[in-house]
Amino acid sequence: SQTIHQWPATLVQPVGSPLSLECTVEGTSNPNLYWYRQAAGRGLQLLFYSVGIGQISSEVPQNLSASRPQDRQFILSSKKLLLSDSGFYLCAWSPSVVQPGGEKLFFGSGTQLSVL
Amino acid sequence: AQKITQTQPGMFVQEKEAVTLDCTYDTSDQSYGLFWYKQPSSGEMIFLIYQGSYDEQNATEGRYSLNFQKARKSANLVISASQLGDSAMYFCAMTTGSARQLTFGSGTQLTVLP
Repeated sequence: SQTIHQWPATLVQPVGSPLSLECTVEGTSNPNLYWYRQAAGRGLQLLFYSVGIGQISSEVPQNLSASRPQDRQFILSSKKLLLSDSGFYLCAWSPSVVQPGGEKLFFGSGTQLSVL
Repeated sequence: AQKITQTQPGMFVQEKEAVTLDCTYDTSDQSYGLFWYKQPSSGEMIFLIYQGSYDEQNATEGRYSLNFQKARKSANLVISASQLGDSAMYFCAMTTGSARQLTFGSGTQLTVLP
């Protein structure tokens, strides 16, 4: 079965410090990968998605970047964090081939980032 | 453009009773998919149920069913026999294409009372 791991679960960082959040998927090949951000009490905003190694699409211009160094690894980074980067970050994957029942997303457990 | 509206910021239900969470959507596309996700306090988003726009029957998954009314553009989630573990935030979402085009509603916080 497929599993998705995301870490760390919580992170407190000072303004101006770098960021690296990591996500890995097991049990599948060539998944589509996603990074979402959720502001408190709000829905999800898609930040980046990737359909393959080295292929990253950005949905929202911002202080963050993403990389996919390996097939099942997706990294969210920042060189200098801003206060506005605080939020709950979720990694997700979907099969590269759409399954019957729609293209479902499977989410990691999330990272609560607080920038102080 | 797609839009999902969840008008109930919070809902309460007594344990073992059924509850309906409202969701309306807006799209000009004829082909689309509707999803419900559950987010417990732990933060993880859990897929619950899916309804395709061309599906003639309402989707069901265990205690979850989706009341799909295409003409009214509504996709309400019905949870039967509520359990304490159902207390969570519930998000309605839709896509007219791939998952990267998924649009989420603002969510409904469900609290199940003992």
